[in-house]
Amino acid sequence: GNSVTQMQGQVTLSEEEFLFINCTYSTTGYPTLFWYVQYPGEGPQLLLKVTTANNKGSSRGFEATYDKGTTSFHLQKASVQESDSAVYYCVLGDSNYQLIWGSGTKLIIKP
Amino acid sequence: EAGVTQSPRYAVLQEGQAVSFWCDPISGHDTLYWYQQPRDQGPQLLVYFRDEAVIDNSQLPSDRFSAVRPKGTNSTLKIQSAKQGDTATYLCASSFSQNTLYFGAGTRLSVL
Repeated sequence: GNSVTQMQGQVTLSEEEFLFINCTYSTTGYPTLFWYVQYPGEGPQLLLKVTTANNKGSSRGFEATYDKGTTSFHLQKASVQESDSAVYYCVLGDSNYQLIWGSGTKLIIKP
Repeated sequence: EAGVTQSPRYAVLQEGQAVSFWCDPISGHDTLYWYQQPRDQGPQLLVYFRDEAVIDNSQLPSDRFSAVRPKGTNSTLKIQSAKQGDTATYLCASSFSQNTLYFGAGTRLSVL
């Protein structure tokens, strides 16, 4: 069946450090992949979305590349800010438009 | 453009009490979702509608939970007899033709 794996439950960085959040997925076909971000007290919001047509997405300094060979969709940012503190979810959208959510990675930025 | 609106923001109940959550989706969005998000976990789909029709309610505990969207716009999720295990944030989301989901801020439920 479809699944999404985020092994990092929490990542702690200082401001201006490089961010890498690992995500791997398992599915058949050609899914759409998303990163959603959830700030405290809010619902998740779309950070970026990638389909097989475009392979790479970017938004607000974040980037993710859809790698069908390694079935990975890692999230990166060159230089984090304190305002990036949030929970980041890797999400797979299958051919039936069902969303399969990863377990989330909490990003803590030390000022 | 107004976002997804949910009310109430918080609810505190004793076990056995009933509670209803209300959701007003983004205007024009045909698909509406209810998710349950336990503390420190990802959202888990309970039910979703396209217009007024239930498309998938397989994860909705049907003995105590019910959800309606009678006119294909606003929706209500109801828990008949709450249990401590229902403590979670209940999120409503909407989309147009199952594209990007837009979430409300959620209702945080505590069952004592």
